[in-house]
Amino acid sequence: NAGVTQTPKFQVLKTGQSMTLQCAQDMNHNSMYWYRQDPGMGLRLIYYSASEGTTDKGEVPNGYNVSRLNKREFSLRLESAAPSQTSVYFCATRDRGIRSTDTQYFGPGTRLTVL
Amino acid sequence: GENVEQHPSTLSVQEGDSAVIKCTYSDSASNYFPWYKQELGKRPQLIIDIRSNVGEKKDQRIAVTLNKTAKHFSLHITETQPEDSAVYFCAASMRAESNFGNEKLTFGTGTRLTIIP
Repeated sequence: NAGVTQTPKFQVLKTGQSMTLQCAQDMNHNSMYWYRQDPGMGLRLIYYSASEGTTDKGEVPNGYNVSRLNKREFSLRLESAAPSQTSVYFCATRDRGIRSTDTQYFGPGTRLTVL
Repeated sequence: GENVEQHPSTLSVQEGDSAVIKCTYSDSASNYFPWYKQELGKRPQLIIDIRSNVGEKKDQRIAVTLNKTAKHFSLHITETQPEDSAVYFCAASMRAESNFGNEKLTFGTGTRLTIIP
């Protein structure tokens, strides 16, 4: 049981390059989330997906796109990376429904540097 | 939208003493308040949570209190140990009317807790 996995662990990009961060879960959870974490800013929600086929913007969606490929996978794409997107990115999942504990389970994170 | 403020940003406590971290929230409709612990270089992990229908919850050395009228909640750690050193985040969200539950968490900016041996 891997839980929530993210690839890659580290990435360095040049300004203007594009890349996709991958997230996969084997917890059979409906909801998936992408956060960014910056010093002194806490965790800020970029996008989330309540179920396969649906996505919604969070607090800081500009410059990002997402794709909920299936129930297991939720990817985050940077089309034209900017230095302001240097951050640690976390994917998270949550079980939904009446019996949900509402706990979000986080992946190990991707450290992205944009030069 | 919801706004969560967290204080202090850093806290140093002698081993064995207690630590208290406080958060305030803005949306009176919020009804779910979790606390996450993040050790250096690791992922955030839930340590305790509370819902708006209770005022206090305890789990061994950690407890959370909620004051709905004042819109603030606090994390209390007693008999602190070196392994309690970490960054702690509070969060708030609202459970929707449907089965969907709490879809979005709004996090505070974090408190770096250092336990001094």
